[in-house]
Amino acid sequence: AQSVTQLDSQVPVFEEAPVELRCNYSSSVSVYLFWYVQYPNQGLQLLLKYLSGSTLVKGINGFEAEFNKSQTSFHLRKPSVHISDTAEYFCAVSDQGSYIPTFGRGTSLIVHP
Amino acid sequence: DAGVIQSPRHEVTEMGQEVTLRCKPISGHNSLFWYRQTMMRGLELLIYFNNNVPIDDSGMPEDRFSAKMPNASFSTLKIQPSEPRDSAVYFCASSLTGRGNTIYFGEGSWLTVV
Repeated sequence: AQSVTQLDSQVPVFEEAPVELRCNYSSSVSVYLFWYVQYPNQGLQLLLKYLSGSTLVKGINGFEAEFNKSQTSFHLRKPSVHISDTAEYFCAVSDQGSYIPTFGRGTSLIVHP
Repeated sequence: DAGVIQSPRHEVTEMGQEVTLRCKPISGHNSLFWYRQTMMRGLELLIYFNNNVPIDDSGMPEDRFSAKMPNASFSTLKIQPSEPRDSAVYFCASSLTGRGNTIYFGEGSWLTVV
């Protein structure tokens, strides 16, 4: 069975500072990894995903994530955040035998001016 | 292109009443998901349909909840009778069936049971 742990429930940061949102997963087989973002009062939308190939994945809005198989991690980073990045961020994992991803509890990114 | 469409966006109902949430998936998508989001439990998968057939309903809380997908372009989630603890945001989502495919979410139905 697969599981996802998002280590921080809330991450406050000042505008233009760098940020890292942490995600660790557990699975006995190869996985696909996702980051979704949920802006206030909206549904989730895909930021980026790792399927195979390069372990550094670039997504929308300047975000990127790195797949680290040995550490079973898929941390999300942005070098300089904006107020508009304030949102809930969800990490998700799907093992290669499943159509259904498992979502983490989410990390609330709060960007202060 | 139209995304996943959910209705109603907001519903306030009294305990004991029947609630029906509706969803129109993206045209051509053959996988459909119903999720529930609360502060306490986060995002929970309630049920997964593939080609209109329920494949995994292990997340449906109890017999008060039921979901149907009569055709490829429509699904309902029904709660009867509703209870205050059912208050949550209910999301419908769809995708093309396939491992690693992106799931597209609707904007959610905000349910309050008083």
